[in-house]
Amino acid sequence: EAQVTQNPRYLITVTGKKLTVTCSQNMNHEYMSWYRQDPGLGLRQIYYSMNVEVTDKGDVPEGYKVSRKEKRNFPLILESPSPNQTSLYFCASSPKGYYRDYHRNTEAFFGQGTRLTVV
Amino acid sequence: KQEVTQIPAALSVPEGENLVLNCSFTDSAIYNLQWFRQDPGKGLTSLLLIQSSQREQTSGRLNASLDKSSGRSTLYIAASQPGDSATYLCACLGATNKLIFGTGTLLAVQP
Repeated sequence: EAQVTQNPRYLITVTGKKLTVTCSQNMNHEYMSWYRQDPGLGLRQIYYSMNVEVTDKGDVPEGYKVSRKEKRNFPLILESPSPNQTSLYFCASSPKGYYRDYHRNTEAFFGQGTRLTVV
Repeated sequence: KQEVTQIPAALSVPEGENLVLNCSFTDSAIYNLQWFRQDPGKGLTSLLLIQSSQREQTSGRLNASLDKSSGRSTLYIAASQPGDSATYLCACLGATNKLIFGTGTLLAVQP
C-alpha cells in the first residue's frame, strides 16, 4: 500500500530536549516536505527536499533541521524544542520536483500527522 | 504572495443535501489545485487534483472545478452523507514549489 509513515503519532516533551520525528514513504517519490498546522494559521511549510541531499527552507524553518540521506526518509529534527513548537506536524511526498513536472499529476500524499506538545 | 481563502469556515447541512465549498486564491499562476479531506486525529487525504489546464475533475459524488482567471475553485458534494463530515482543505501549487493551503471548511452532515 502506498503510504507516508510518520512516527511517533503523539509526543510530549520538555523544553530543550532534542527530538526527531521520522518520515518514510514507499512510493519512490523525489519530493518530500514538512508542514506544521496551527489553529487559525492553517498548514505552513517548514522544509522541503527536491531529492537526496537537496533540502531547502520553507516558510517557517526556524528551530528545525532536516536531512535527506535516502530517498525514502526525511526526518524532522528539533534540536532544542520550545513551547511555540507545539503543533500538529505533517510529512508529505509527491512524485516529482514540481517545477519540472508541473503539467503532470503531482498529487501530494500526506502522513497521519504527529501531535507534538512541548512543555 | 499567494493567499488562499476558504468560505465558509464551517457548514452544517442535513443528510442528502447537495453542497458547494469555495476556495479562492490571489495569484492565478498556479500549476494545480488540490482538495484534501482531514479527519480529526488523522492525516490529510487527497480527494481531487485539478491541473492548471483543466476545468474540472470528478470522483464519485465529488466534483471540483477550477477557474484560474477568477482565482476560484469549488468542490461540489452530491447527496451528502454523515461520513462526509470532516474538514476540507484546498491547496494551490505554484512557482514556489510548495502547496499553499487555505484554512479549511469544517463540514458537519446531520443524520
